[in-house]
Amino acid sequence: QSALAQPASVSGSPGQSITISCAGTSSDVGGYNYVSWYQQHPGKAPRLLIYEVSNRPSGVPDRFSGSKSGNTASLTISGLQADDEADYYCSSYTISSTLQEFGGGTKLTVV
Amino acid sequence: QLQLLESGPGLVKPSETLSLTCAVSGGSISSNRLYWGWIRQPPGKGLEWIGSIYYNGNTYYNPSLKSRVTISVDTSKNQFSLKLSSVTAADTAVYYCARHRGDHYYDGMDVWGQGTTVTVSS
Repeated sequence: QSALAQPASVSGSPGQSITISCAGTSSDVGGYNYVSWYQQHPGKAPRLLIYEVSNRPSGVPDRFSGSKSGNTASLTISGLQADDEADYYCSSYTISSTLQEFGGGTKLTVV
Repeated sequence: QLQLLESGPGLVKPSETLSLTCAVSGGSISSNRLYWGWIRQPPGKGLEWIGSIYYNGNTYYNPSLKSRVTISVDTSKNQFSLKLSSVTAADTAVYYCARHRGDHYYDGMDVWGQGTTVTVSS
């Protein structure tokens, strides 16, 4: 069981916006600004979407945005497209012995 | 453009040591003062961080695997490696190497290899 809790699945229609949550504690998400988000299509390697809570690497569309409130980080995807259908993972630094952890992943379905 | 490529045996017997190498091209490990990491994904499951190494050899490991893991770097060959000892079926996974975007082992990983499947079976 992952220390970072993500919903198993979310869905949305093309053009809509969705938000994926990543719930942690004050030892990880809430205490530090080292939250990253990854997108993974089936059979492919993960792709970094967001780093340090809300920063986008070059090449990532601004439809993807990250934020944090308390112990929960969020990834928002606006203007949903069919190609956004994928698994999404959050990760965070943690002061606990695990050092770094991933969330369990969220499957996004674009219906 | 930086590229990473994992290589190693696709089949390892139980109790033996899994050995993988990540070759870095399009850039130098030693000139990029960044961390380099290994991550795995069991079939149908999520991502698990295995450990990361700095260009100078400094390492951090997932405590759940630390007793069995060794990550090393060879700057002369521009590659870094993973060894996981005493493997069991639970170590069957796709193994990825990746580059951290900063000089912390918890910085986001912005360049990934394609992944290599390792099956543990007799």
